[in-house]
Amino acid sequence: DVKVTQSSRYLVKRTGEKVFLECVQDMDHENMFWYRQDPGLGLRLIYFSYDVKMKEKGDIPEGYSVSREKKERFSLILESASTNQTSMYLCASGRDGGETQYFGPGTRLLVL
Amino acid sequence: GDSVTQMEGPVTLSEEAFLTINCTYTATGYPSLFWYVQYPGEGLQLLLKATKADDKGSNKGFEATYRKETTSFHLEKGSVQVSDSAVYFCALPNTGFQKLVFGTGTRLLVSP
Repeated sequence: DVKVTQSSRYLVKRTGEKVFLECVQDMDHENMFWYRQDPGLGLRLIYFSYDVKMKEKGDIPEGYSVSREKKERFSLILESASTNQTSMYLCASGRDGGETQYFGPGTRLLVL
Repeated sequence: GDSVTQMEGPVTLSEEAFLTINCTYTATGYPSLFWYVQYPGEGLQLLLKATKADDKGSNKGFEATYRKETTSFHLEKGSVQVSDSAVYFCALPNTGFQKLVFGTGTRLLVSP
């Protein structure tokens, strides 16, 4: 079974803090994704990566950056957390050329 | 651009009732279509998919038929259970096929 894990299920941070969300997949997938999920808005793509050290902006990249130093790991970074970044963050992975994505359990982030 | 429209929820049903969750799409060509499900406290998981027009995807008693004439992919189940309570997302790959476009999700609540 594909397994995608995220470093934290719940996180509370203060405005202005730098926040790291980690995602690890164990299926040697080329593609990895970060989404945020908000009520009434569904899932919105923040960034994705199709290879090590490669990244592309999604629909809402502002205020975020990413890092992919190893194939299995994809990190989402909030450089200076703000209250409007309070959300559920979901990581996903998929193989190159494949359409199915496999999701982690999510990290619920609260920024105070 | 490609998009997916789902019916708003919540959908509230009694156990053993018939379920329909509507999904329509706008896309170039005939992409694959997906239904993902998110159980409480978890990430998304693929429920079913259809890769071409007139295909029927099915899993766990759920079905959806790819109808190009009406650009629809409605999710149905003949008899829902309390354990089906979840949020259901319709999705399609965008023209680059590396990303998925999700609907806003429909919450289903099934009572005993």
